[in-house]
Amino acid sequence: QLQLQESGPGLVKPSETLSLTCTVSGGSISSSSYYWGWIRQPPGKGLEWIGSIYYSGSTYYNPSLKSRVTISVDTSKNQFSLKLSSVTAADTAVYYCASRIVGAAPFDYWGQGTLVTVSS
Amino acid sequence: SYVLTQPPSVSVAPGKTARITCGGNNIGSKSVHWYQQKPGQAPVLVIYYDSDRPSGIPERFSGSNSGNTATLTISRVEAGDEADYYCQVWDSSSVFGGGTKLTVL
Repeated sequence: QLQLQESGPGLVKPSETLSLTCTVSGGSISSSSYYWGWIRQPPGKGLEWIGSIYYSGSTYYNPSLKSRVTISVDTSKNQFSLKLSSVTAADTAVYYCASRIVGAAPFDYWGQGTLVTVSS
Repeated sequence: SYVLTQPPSVSVAPGKTARITCGGNNIGSKSVHWYQQKPGQAPVLVIYYDSDRPSGIPERFSGSNSGNTATLTISRVEAGDEADYYCQVWDSSSVFGGGTKLTVL
């Protein structure tokens, strides 16, 4: 069974870049069966998909965030990462990493989530 | 971009049936997934591909999808079902509904 764990700074200054890493255990991030993604949830609000990556490096981003988002994968460490640039207070949220199988599949495994606050 | 519309809240008495809707243009042509989220926890998949249940999810949870509305039905509601519920589809990208807070009276 896959397990995912987010890590990274809990506080980021406005205009800087938010960086998070998701470590995958219980399976290989190089599996051709899975996409790896990021989803966020502002306090008291709903879920928003940020983007996904395939082990090959192919990426898919939410059009509303595409200009500021980079998702990458490190197969040697079984990790994938999120970078969100030029952050503002509106980017304050719990950030989840999650996995799904290839296709129009659901997110079946989730990390516990990590709160990132954007504040000076 | 594709939009999913959920009622902000649904209330139901214990033992009764709760129905949570998810509206979208011709959503019946898409696969709908449903998640349950309790306070302070990550979402948990409760229904996938419109009506399939993951292992460990009670049979009380069921789903349907037709036309412009998908529905999550929870039969014999229990206090432990109180949570936020989100629908999700894949269009050109992943889309979540705004969420519905289920209150057990």
